[in-house]
Amino acid sequence: DTAVSQTPKYLVTQMGNDKSIKCEQNLGHDTMYWYKQDSKKFLKIMFSYNNKELIINETVPNRFSPKSPDKAHLNLHINSLELGDSAVYFCASSPFGGQNTDTQYFGPGTRLTVL
Amino acid sequence: KQEVTQIPAALSVPEGENLVLNCSFTDSAIYNLQWFRQDPGKGLTSLLLIQSSQREQTSGRLNASLDKSSGRSTLYIAASQPGDSATYLCAVKGGSEKLVFGKGTKLTVNP
Repeated sequence: DTAVSQTPKYLVTQMGNDKSIKCEQNLGHDTMYWYKQDSKKFLKIMFSYNNKELIINETVPNRFSPKSPDKAHLNLHINSLELGDSAVYFCASSPFGGQNTDTQYFGPGTRLTVL
Repeated sequence: KQEVTQIPAALSVPEGENLVLNCSFTDSAIYNLQWFRQDPGKGLTSLLLIQSSQREQTSGRLNASLDKSSGRSTLYIAASQPGDSATYLCAVKGGSEKLVFGKGTKLTVNP
């Protein structure tokens, strides 16, 4: 019955590999997000999708490619992983995305470690 | 470019104490300000959301205030409990639809 779920919870991989993180929300929300929390605990937005359309794309290397097959899912694929990609990645969702009353609901995070 | 600062970075208090966490932001053109709680190894939980037209919001022992013109918000926690120990994050939503987060205040409430 988890509202926003992510898989896997932990991901350890070698430099140069390609990996994906999956996110699903069962809240019926229209908007989903990916955030990165680095080693200094600084949380920054990476991408946002509204009804499967990209609406926010921060200055993220194009090795990162989000994919939204439907509005309940937003997956993150990362090519050619680098050491600096090690972080905790959070998925979130919100009802509309454009309202000042929206709050965001976060998943538990995926801790990615690149060796 | 919006920047959010939270002071102090860490705070340790004895159980039962009332406390205030501070948040400041550089661009006052915001839609709302939110306070989140993050427990170790877990995601963020939304605590309070204050719209730009509001001055404060209350939920139980928590009270958040917003002074948009001065770019400040405070989170007041009354009668703190060990279960309140967590990192508290402040985030503002501006015209770009993005949430911009501060680095958080790590709170420890000692029994």
